[in-house]
Amino acid sequence: QVQLVHSGAEVKKPGASVKVSCKASGYTFTSHYIHWVRQAPGQGLEWMGKINPTSGNAIYAQRFQGRVTLTRDTSTSTVYMELSSLRSEDTAVYYCAREGLQLVGGYFDYWGQGTLVTVSS
Amino acid sequence: EIVLTQSPGTLSLSPGERATLSCRASQSVSSSSLAWYQQKPGQAPRLLIYGASSRATGISDRFSGSGSGTDFTLTISRLEPEDFAVYYCQQYGNSPPKYTFGQGTKLEIK
Repeated sequence: QVQLVHSGAEVKKPGASVKVSCKASGYTFTSHYIHWVRQAPGQGLEWMGKINPTSGNAIYAQRFQGRVTLTRDTSTSTVYMELSSLRSEDTAVYYCAREGLQLVGGYFDYWGQGTLVTVSS
Repeated sequence: EIVLTQSPGTLSLSPGERATLSCRASQSVSSSSLAWYQQKPGQAPRLLIYGASSRATGISDRFSGSGSGTDFTLTISRLEPEDFAVYYCQQYGNSPPKYTFGQGTKLEIK
């Protein structure tokens, strides 16, 4: 079965960076884009970016440009999300999600359990 | 930039009733690029509907999606206790790639 498994919760100070991992299994890793979506406490969902696991090419939401970096390791079927210059507003649960392939795609058919990142001095 | 507005913000219904959730886009979107998700407290979102009306794998036929252009609807025909959750619509645009969510509708037990 398809699974996306996140690394554990993180606590960081303002100005620091965080790197969260998402390990995929149960399908061909290179067949689906992986996206990152975050959710601040009590808030809605916000798309951050996506990575092509085959090429490693990534596209980022404009508001995160320059602060987020997505990478992947095909040998372990793992995608990484690194967010720099953290501020308190970055406190959120960060999810990885697999993009579906039906029709034009663009939807997320499997999600990881999420990683809580807390930014606090 | 396309904005998705969901209504109502909160919907209070009883088990067995029919729920109708709305998602309105600020400009016309392709039906192929509209999806719905369910999220329960402490859990990740779960895909319900993609392409505006196609049910995801394993989703009950009590859930149905419809609409086109700027107006889309998620209908839950007979509410079960496990259906009370927050529901999000989401749209995909490709020039440049952008994935936008509505603000959510909370479906609560009356």
